[in-house]
Amino acid sequence: GEDVEQSLFLSVREGDSSVINCTYTDSSSTYLYWYKQEPGAGLQLLTYIFSNMDMKQDQRLTVLLNKKDKHLSLRIADTQTGDSAIYFCAVDRWGSGNTGKLIFGQGTTLQVKP
Amino acid sequence: DVKVTQSSRYLVKRTGEKVFLECVQDMDHENMFWYRQDPGLGLRLIYFSYDVKMKEKGDIPEGYSVSREKKERFSLILESASTNQTSMYLCASSGQGNEQYFGPGTRLTVT
Repeated sequence: GEDVEQSLFLSVREGDSSVINCTYTDSSSTYLYWYKQEPGAGLQLLTYIFSNMDMKQDQRLTVLLNKKDKHLSLRIADTQTGDSAIYFCAVDRWGSGNTGKLIFGQGTTLQVKP
Repeated sequence: DVKVTQSSRYLVKRTGEKVFLECVQDMDHENMFWYRQDPGLGLRLIYFSYDVKMKEKGDIPEGYSVSREKKERFSLILESASTNQTSMYLCASSGQGNEQYFGPGTRLTVT
């Protein structure tokens, strides 16, 4: 079935760049999302990319999409301690239409060391 | 701002109890979702509702039921709680677009 895979943990030093990777199986996904979950909170949409784009930049965030390899990445420049959180990759489900049904990856815990 | 609220942040119940988790959204969204979140497994969809009184099973519906009598409210029901239902439960809603807005979550412990 449809699947989204992420590594579970990433540790970086403050000021470095972080790159969080995600692979997915459903090539018909139209939108691909990155959500952030801070400790004790629900998920919050960080950014998204439309499937006909290769790259999207939003301040310190860069999203890269390789449709051929079904690979999505999130780069955070100048990572700060406040970026410590769990990051979820999500893609819309095949045939979901306008229902908003998504498939989520396992989440990558980003630890930022001072 | 879209707001999704959940009735409890923390809940402790005994095995066999009936448990109700409530979720309310204030943006007139058609779609509402219940997920459970477990370490290493990410978010798994339990049930989904696309309109009042309409529901669809998600990936792990066993042991759960839902109710949507009003557009803004979506309830998750554990008919007879079991220890393997100890988890974080997240509610979300979405409108015409695919962006989902999440509540803060309910951490349920079943002893």
